[in-house]
Amino acid sequence: AQSVTQLGSHVSVSEGALVLLRCNYSSSVPPYLFWYVQYPNQGLQLLLKYTTGATLVKGINGFEAEFKKSETSFHLTKPSAHMSDAAEYFCAVSEPPNFGNEKLTFGTGTRLTIIP
Amino acid sequence: ETGVTQSPTHLIKTRGQQVTLRCSSQSGHNTVSWYQQALGQGPQFIFQYYREEENGRGNFPPRFSGLQFPNYSSELNVNALELDDSALYLCASSFLDTKNIQYFGAGTRLSVL
Repeated sequence: AQSVTQLGSHVSVSEGALVLLRCNYSSSVPPYLFWYVQYPNQGLQLLLKYTTGATLVKGINGFEAEFKKSETSFHLTKPSAHMSDAAEYFCAVSEPPNFGNEKLTFGTGTRLTIIP
Repeated sequence: ETGVTQSPTHLIKTRGQQVTLRCSSQSGHNTVSWYQQALGQGPQFIFQYYREEENGRGNFPPRFSGLQFPNYSSELNVNALELDDSALYLCASSFLDTKNIQYFGAGTRLSVL
């Protein structure tokens, strides 16, 4: 079984400061990893994904994440926070797709607040 | 904008009733997944449909059932509603390939009283 742990249910950073949201995963097979963002009263929007290959992945809105197998981590970062980044962020894991195992397992989320 | 639409946006039911939620997938996608997101929690996988057949199921009882139609639209049906079924229900469409990129709709907020 797979699982995701997001450290810190709430994170506050000042506008312009570094954003760091932590995600650790557990998987018995090479994982596919995802970060999604959810704005109030909206669905989930894909920020970025890691499947295979380069371990540093870049996503939308200036976010990036690095897959570290030895640490079983996939932390999300952004060099400079913007007010529009305030939202709920979810890390998710899946197995490599193989007809029937494409489900996403999500963490419990991190609410990011930006301080003006 | 993901191209995945869900209806209705909000719904209020009473315990014991039945409910049907609908999802229209993004054009070209042949797979739909449903997730339940309780307040303050991450989404939980309910089941997935591929070409009108169930293609994986999470830890949900049989009173949660689904359909996928030839045009790849989908329904989630929940019978004998319980208070704990109150949640945001998310539909995600994808193309069954090696990438597993799922595109989510805005969800249906179900309240069971």
